[in-house]
Amino acid sequence: KAGVTQTPRYLIKTRGQQVTLSCSPISGHRSVSWYQQTPGQGLQFLFEYFSETQRNKGNFPGRFSGRQFSNSRSEMNVSTLELGDSALYLCASSLVAVSTGELFFGEGSRLTVL
Amino acid sequence: DAKTTQPPSMDCAEGRAANLPCNHSTISGNEYVYWYRQIHSQGPQYIIHGLKNNETNEMASLIITEDRKSSTLILPHATLRDTAVYYCIVRVSLGGANNLFFGTGTRLTVIP
Repeated sequence: KAGVTQTPRYLIKTRGQQVTLSCSPISGHRSVSWYQQTPGQGLQFLFEYFSETQRNKGNFPGRFSGRQFSNSRSEMNVSTLELGDSALYLCASSLVAVSTGELFFGEGSRLTVL
Repeated sequence: DAKTTQPPSMDCAEGRAANLPCNHSTISGNEYVYWYRQIHSQGPQYIIHGLKNNETNEMASLIITEDRKSSTLILPHATLRDTAVYYCIVRVSLGGANNLFFGTGTRLTVIP
């Protein structure tokens, strides 16, 4: 059974640009969550999608957005990139909307903003 | 969700049991204790979770005190591959969303 797949794994952007990251959850999983990990702030929750609807959102500015498609694949977008957006962006999926806590994480997309 | 307190780092000899403590003194009756770990440059990996009773699976054991204010994750025979950052998380499972608060975790180093 394939795990959570995130693309691209690495990317470099410059300030002011935008970026789109993709996440394919485990087959059959309908909930997708996104997290940002930086050395200073650790792992922080961005948002969660279930059945194409955003169910919960962390404390991030509106430049961070996401969506989920009917096949449960999800994308997140960051517009007007800032240096501080350099981070590892992790996607996690779970089988149902209210999980018992077992999230399956991908390997992440490492974004560097120059 | 209740907050947790973990030591920033620990060492453990290879082959010995690794006991990772976690304090969660403000835990509510309906909050679960979860443990995840993150090996360098990889996504976090679920280890185990529990509510009141002690739990064991193929990876680890979780011991929760009777008052539920603290818990211990036990890796019975630590290997070098267990070197990772271990996160103790407390949250409500039912009715909640998957917005886990990871905190700073404990960096476990398994020494040969």
